[in-house]
Amino acid sequence: GQQVMQIPQYQHVQEGEDFTTYCNSSTTLSNIQWYKQRPGGHPVFLIQLVKSGEVKKQKRLTFQFGEAKKNSSLHITATQTTDVGTYFCWGGSQGNLIFGKGTKLSVKP
Amino acid sequence: GAVVSQHPSRVICKSGTSVKIECRSLDFQATTMFWYRQFPKQSLMLMATSNEGSKATYEQGVEKDKFLINHASLTLSTLTVTSAHPEDSSFYICSARDSRLGTQYFGPGTRLLVL
Repeated sequence: GQQVMQIPQYQHVQEGEDFTTYCNSSTTLSNIQWYKQRPGGHPVFLIQLVKSGEVKKQKRLTFQFGEAKKNSSLHITATQTTDVGTYFCWGGSQGNLIFGKGTKLSVKP
Repeated sequence: GAVVSQHPSRVICKSGTSVKIECRSLDFQATTMFWYRQFPKQSLMLMATSNEGSKATYEQGVEKDKFLINHASLTLSTLTVTSAHPEDSSFYICSARDSRLGTQYFGPGTRLLVL
């Protein structure tokens, strides 16, 4: 069935290091959304990508949507302790919503 | 790993009927479960927080009489969409918080289509 693999499952970084999480879908996605969830909190919408090859930036965060619309990445430059949380990708495909299990990021000060 | 299931995964119903969606935590106990709704190509929206043994807490703008939530056990919460109308068509997602670890896990979602 349709699925989205998100890697890595966990990432521990030193403050100031970069961080990247990847989502790979078994099917072509019509769009992909990224969410951040802080410990004990609810998912907060970060961004939506729709176009093939799309790249969007939000301050230190860079989001990419692959040319084939089957993969996406979220890159954080120079992580800060406020970046701690779990980052989820959610992909829309043929009317269904499929999502990765998230990458849990911890940042050591 | 921890798994949260939802049933049904997809449902089509006629306008005016009620639809029940179940959310189960399969290998952990969840004192708290959450219900979300997502419209096509829009972001996730929290509808309500379901607490085992007590009344659910609804977010502003969510009608509690329309979206009935019951959290009867530590592993099951149900959302009933009463007198469903086409505008209720959406993707409904639940998540369950592991009572012991505090980690939250998402269910696979239920696609509701009201004709």
